[in-house]
Amino acid sequence: KAGVTQTPRYLIKTRGQQVTLSCSPISGHRSVSWYQQTPGQGLQFLFEYFSETQRNKGNFPGRFSGRQFSNSRSEMNVSTLELGDSALYLCASSLNRYGYTFGSGTRLTVV
Amino acid sequence: GESVGLHLPTLSVQEGDNSIINCAYSNSASDYFIWYKQESGKGPQFIIDIRSNMDKRQGQRVTVLLNKTVKHLSLQIAATQPGDSAVYFCAENIGGSNYKLTFGKGTLLTVNP
Repeated sequence: KAGVTQTPRYLIKTRGQQVTLSCSPISGHRSVSWYQQTPGQGLQFLFEYFSETQRNKGNFPGRFSGRQFSNSRSEMNVSTLELGDSALYLCASSLNRYGYTFGSGTRLTVV
Repeated sequence: GESVGLHLPTLSVQEGDNSIINCAYSNSASDYFIWYKQESGKGPQFIIDIRSNMDKRQGQRVTVLLNKTVKHLSLQIAATQPGDSAVYFCAENIGGSNYKLTFGKGTLLTVNP
């Protein structure tokens, strides 16, 4: 079966712009989580959605937001981009709270 | 200023040797643990998981050991191969209404042919 699909794979944006990243979970998985990975901070949790509801949120500023659609696909948005937002953004899906499967990520570069 | 990268522990082994990667987790309330492998330019790949009601779980060439007394997790890879070279992360989940994974900083495994 198809894995977790993240688009786009690479993005280059300018400071102050906004960006939207997309994640399609494994078919049947209703939980989608987002993580930010940087060399300095490692893997950090952004938020988690289940049935279109955000159940958990990490310690990130309000510029980071997300949503989930009725088909479980999820998007995350970062507004007013800063240089420090350059990172690999990873999406993970799970059937319940076990067995999180990650996508290949979106590499965001802010210049 | 320039951010400093995480100083990753490293483990270098010879092909065919067994590897042991260790992880100290942070929360005694965590009840679910996962090991991931991440190769350069890719997302984390699930290797094996274990729930807190178990001490040991085996997969294909991998074994995870859980010591809840000292909050320690280890991943054993048998007959390590060059394709096993990657960064390995442990992750913990507290459970209940908490649906996030907390990751360790990772260990870089290098397998020498």
